[in-house]
Amino acid sequence: DADVTQTPRNRITKTGKRIMLECSQTKGHDRMYWYRQDPGLGLRLIYYSFDVKDINKGEISDGYSVSRQAQAKFSLSLESAIPNQTALYFCATSDSREWDIQYFGAGTRLSVL
Amino acid sequence: GQNIDQPTEMTATEGAIVQINCTYQTSGFNGLFWYQQHAGEAPTFLSYNVLDGLEEKGRFSSFLSRSKGYSYLLLKELQMKDSASYLCAVRALSGGYNKLIFGAGTRLAVHP
Repeated sequence: DADVTQTPRNRITKTGKRIMLECSQTKGHDRMYWYRQDPGLGLRLIYYSFDVKDINKGEISDGYSVSRQAQAKFSLSLESAIPNQTALYFCATSDSREWDIQYFGAGTRLSVL
Repeated sequence: GQNIDQPTEMTATEGAIVQINCTYQTSGFNGLFWYQQHAGEAPTFLSYNVLDGLEEKGRFSSFLSRSKGYSYLLLKELQMKDSASYLCAVRALSGGYNKLIFGAGTRLAVHP
């Protein structure tokens, strides 16, 4: 089983719909992250969380929200999806005691029509 | 501001050696990472440099010069499975947090 699991792997939705992407990890890491990846651009940070009670905005948080339900679970919500949120979304985890090397889930490919 | 530059695409021949360069301009530098990403898959960690010099790990080596804002990833004895994108990422201390800033990636195609 994967250490960092994202669900769903693929999702097509319509403009204006609310959608949630989920991430769970079995690595026991304290830190979790959500990124989006667009063609020709680097991974861009949406939100990050250092522990259950700590949530921080990344560089592109507008239009997104997150919830850290437990140390192992970090979900990303699009409250009202729009077409320019079509992208590949990755969840990542890291251990603050191990250089913060980030380990990524397999990704969720989201299309907003 | 923060800026990371790496070539968009490179091609190489199976069995050869290829060097992928990365230059960066950033404040609060606190380490440089290289990740490999096959098309449609997750990035996977390859190497980490925090001090100047060469880190070797099997067929892959990574070099860092902090004074020049420069790193490279060296891949030896290229195999077809090395065809992938290679992401340079700089870790920078900002607002008390070590933020990871990714370059756009270099897409490497290995030909027979």
